[in-house]
Amino acid sequence: ETGVTQTPRHLVMGMTNKKSLKCEQHLGHNAMYWYKQSAKKPLELMFVYNFKEQTENNSVPSRFSPECPNSSHLFLHLHTLQPEDSALYLCASSPSGRRGNTEAFFGQGTRLTVV
Amino acid sequence: AQSVTQPDIHITVSEGASLELRCNYSYGATPYLFWYVQSPGQGLQLLLKYFSGDTLVQGIKGFEAEFKRSQSSFNLRKPSVHWSDAAEYFCAVGPASYDKVIFGPGTSLSVIP
Repeated sequence: ETGVTQTPRHLVMGMTNKKSLKCEQHLGHNAMYWYKQSAKKPLELMFVYNFKEQTENNSVPSRFSPECPNSSHLFLHLHTLQPEDSALYLCASSPSGRRGNTEAFFGQGTRLTVV
Repeated sequence: AQSVTQPDIHITVSEGASLELRCNYSYGATPYLFWYVQSPGQGLQLLLKYFSGDTLVQGIKGFEAEFKRSQSSFNLRKPSVHWSDAAEYFCAVGPASYDKVIFGPGTSLSVIP
């Protein structure tokens, strides 16, 4: 148990569906992250939020839409996805994205399959 | 450009044998270095980190890593591997801002009895 909880753990969705991934942390952290982990590829940082403000968007397609209503919760809204979007989506948090001597704590991930 | 390489895609060791996983990086300044482990179906767990000071870093689960600036390496070691160590291992490097940390491609470790 790392203090970062992701739901659901598994999700199968059609290309025309709309779904959301949820991440919650109870560590008092101020920075939260979404990563995409695909087979045979390095971990890809998608979005970063610091103090509820989005500070990083690594050229992620608009079919992925993040939302951070408060420092403890992070969502990833999905719509009209493609089969190549199937991957493990990991959420992480850290005390602050802009301060050194920190590390990120990861959730267990949501395994997404787009059919 | 920043990069992290883990030359070994997959390693198999016998239980009780020693282990070394390699990590090389390209970075313009003194990096912050991390090793994470990921068990099947799980998220990433931090094994150890190096920010400054002693170049030999001790981590959890009996792992250690040594930062060698001259070789741009941060190899992970364990003197005696247990079957439960079978997992994917990721090296990561970055600046003080964690949002700039980049991960290597990972090394998959199998442990045979």
